[in-house]
Amino acid sequence: DGGITQSPKYLFRKEGQNVTLSCEQNLNHDAMYWYRQDPGQGLRLIYYSQIVNDFQKGDIAEGYSVSREKKESFPLTVTSAQKNPTAFYLCASSTSGSSYNEQFFGPGTRLTVL
Amino acid sequence: ILNVEQSPQSLHVQEGDSTNFTCSFPSSNFYALHWYRWETAKSPEALFVMTLNGDEKKKGRISATLNTKEGYSYLYIKGSQPEDSATYLCAIGNQFYFGTGTSLTVIP
Repeated sequence: DGGITQSPKYLFRKEGQNVTLSCEQNLNHDAMYWYRQDPGQGLRLIYYSQIVNDFQKGDIAEGYSVSREKKESFPLTVTSAQKNPTAFYLCASSTSGSSYNEQFFGPGTRLTVL
Repeated sequence: ILNVEQSPQSLHVQEGDSTNFTCSFPSSNFYALHWYRWETAKSPEALFVMTLNGDEKKKGRISATLNTKEGYSYLYIKGSQPEDSATYLCAIGNQFYFGTGTSLTVIP
């Protein structure tokens, strides 16, 4: 089955540690995205990538980093510089980066910083 | 940053009732509007992509309209069923700015 996988589903991290969230897709999509959801807020874009080896910052990129070495994979690292990392993180992909293409979402990772 | 607003924030309806909710957005520099349904413990799923003023889309009992000149879209559900219970999200813009969603609960 084609789809997007994110792992792990739940992640706990001690304050001051970096942590990497995994996102893999087998849909052959060029574009991939990372969003963050906080209570009472809409999904906010952290980073997106329209093609391998290229990515752009979204509105809340501070404290995060990404890489896009393979078409299928778009890992997100939450660094110790991110002041409020506890949140629900969603990864998505689309055929291309056009705003006319629907996005397909993974199941999400809930990160808790202790 | 584009301000996308959805109303109401939450809605409880009886099974069989029809309902609708709104997505409001800045009317300038419009690209496309997306509606998603997000059921609890699942991933958001696309319902509609709307691009032209006056667009109307329909999927089963769910339909949507778009007014780009005044900056709003309506989502309608006819004869609500318990399985329609979900959060409905809209998103616009070339960077996908999402609203906070409307949480719909259909009471059997």
